[in-house]
Amino acid sequence: NAGVTQTPKFQVLKTGQSMTLQCAQDMNHNSMYWYRQDPGMGLRLIYYSASEGTTDKGEVPNGYNVSRLNKREFSLRLESAAPSQTSVYFCASSEVTGTDTQYFGPGTRLTVL
Amino acid sequence: RKEVEQDPGPFNVPEGATVAFNCTYSNSASQSFFWYRQDCRKEPKLLMSVYSSGNEDGRFTAQLNRASQYISLLIRDSKLSDSATYLCVVNGPLRTNAGKSTFGDGTTLTVKP
Repeated sequence: NAGVTQTPKFQVLKTGQSMTLQCAQDMNHNSMYWYRQDPGMGLRLIYYSASEGTTDKGEVPNGYNVSRLNKREFSLRLESAAPSQTSVYFCASSEVTGTDTQYFGPGTRLTVL
Repeated sequence: RKEVEQDPGPFNVPEGATVAFNCTYSNSASQSFFWYRQDCRKEPKLLMSVYSSGNEDGRFTAQLNRASQYISLLIRDSKLSDSATYLCVVNGPLRTNAGKSTFGDGTTLTVKP
């Protein structure tokens, strides 16, 4: 039982490049989330998926797209990376949205030059 | 005003000390509350949920005051291993906010020998 896994762990991009961050959970959770964490700050919600087949914007969705591929997988895509997207990205999952504990993946450290 | 505000810290305390963190939230309809712990460069992990009746887990006690819209975390007999950043998390109401989580910026605790 691996919990929540994320790939890659580290990534360096040049401005304008694109990439997809992958996330998978094996806990049969319905809800999945993408957050970003900038130095000295809390986590900010980018997008979430309350259930398979649905996605909704969070607090900071601009510059990102997501896909809930199936119940297990939720990917985050940066179409044209910008230096302002340099951050640590965490994926999380929970049984349902709103009341349950969220379980986090180990994070992806992204630097955009 | 931020939706969730925490004591800015940092807190530097000796081993064995008692330390308390506070967190205020702005949405009176918020439905659930949590404290997460985050070690340096790692993912957040649930420390404890916070209930109106208060709850205790060993050396940790969490309290919720809905009337004043704040939650607190008390750590007794601090250990070196308690050194971490503590994140206050508030989930919004399902009806208007889809239960999304808002994270505080965190309070950093360093316990010294």
